[in-house]
Amino acid sequence: DTGVSQDPRHKITKRGQNVTFRCDPISEHNRLYWYRQTLGQGPEFLTYFQNEAQLEKSRLLSDRFSAERPKGSFSTLEIQRTEQGDSAMYLCASSPAQPGYGYTFGSGTRLTVV
Amino acid sequence: DAKTTQPPSMDCAEGRAANLPCNHSTISGNEYVYWYRQIHSQGPQYIIHGLKNNETNEMASLIITEDRKSSTLILPHATLRDTAVYYCIVRVVSDYKLSFGAGTTVTVRA
Repeated sequence: DTGVSQDPRHKITKRGQNVTFRCDPISEHNRLYWYRQTLGQGPEFLTYFQNEAQLEKSRLLSDRFSAERPKGSFSTLEIQRTEQGDSAMYLCASSPAQPGYGYTFGSGTRLTVV
Repeated sequence: DAKTTQPPSMDCAEGRAANLPCNHSTISGNEYVYWYRQIHSQGPQYIIHGLKNNETNEMASLIITEDRKSSTLILPHATLRDTAVYYCIVRVVSDYKLSFGAGTTVTVRA
């Protein structure tokens, strides 16, 4: 088990471009989460999947953001028309369905919008 | 609107125990106390959680006061690799979201 994998680790993009990040959770985990973290702050919840169903989206997730988890396996987070304020670390985590387990986080994708 | 209060930073000597406090005076009866840590440039790492009894695992011990309004995470023999931001989080076990505050930046010094 290699844990939660995120790709790429770093992404630099120009303002206005679209970017897509990928997350591969632990294979037996059916819950998957996306968080965003800006410098000096704790991570903030963005969205949550149980299997392929997206069950909640934070108000932080504007309509430029979309997340998918086809077939309940890997997930993608796309940001359209990026803005400088989107610069942050995007973290993915997964957990089993049974309550009480801690989450396993990936190492994140650091996005810099120039 | 974090439900926990932690000191912003603390130092610890290598090889000594590190005691990290957390106040959660408004904790509800069905809320657990979770601890995560985040080493620089990595994602948060789960450490331990508990409801009211003290808990211990291979990483740390969690001491929760009898009134459950505060807790202490104990790293028994701190190493340089324990330098990280430590987050104390309270949540209902069935709640899927984690609400992170600013955490405590722990620096272990040789």
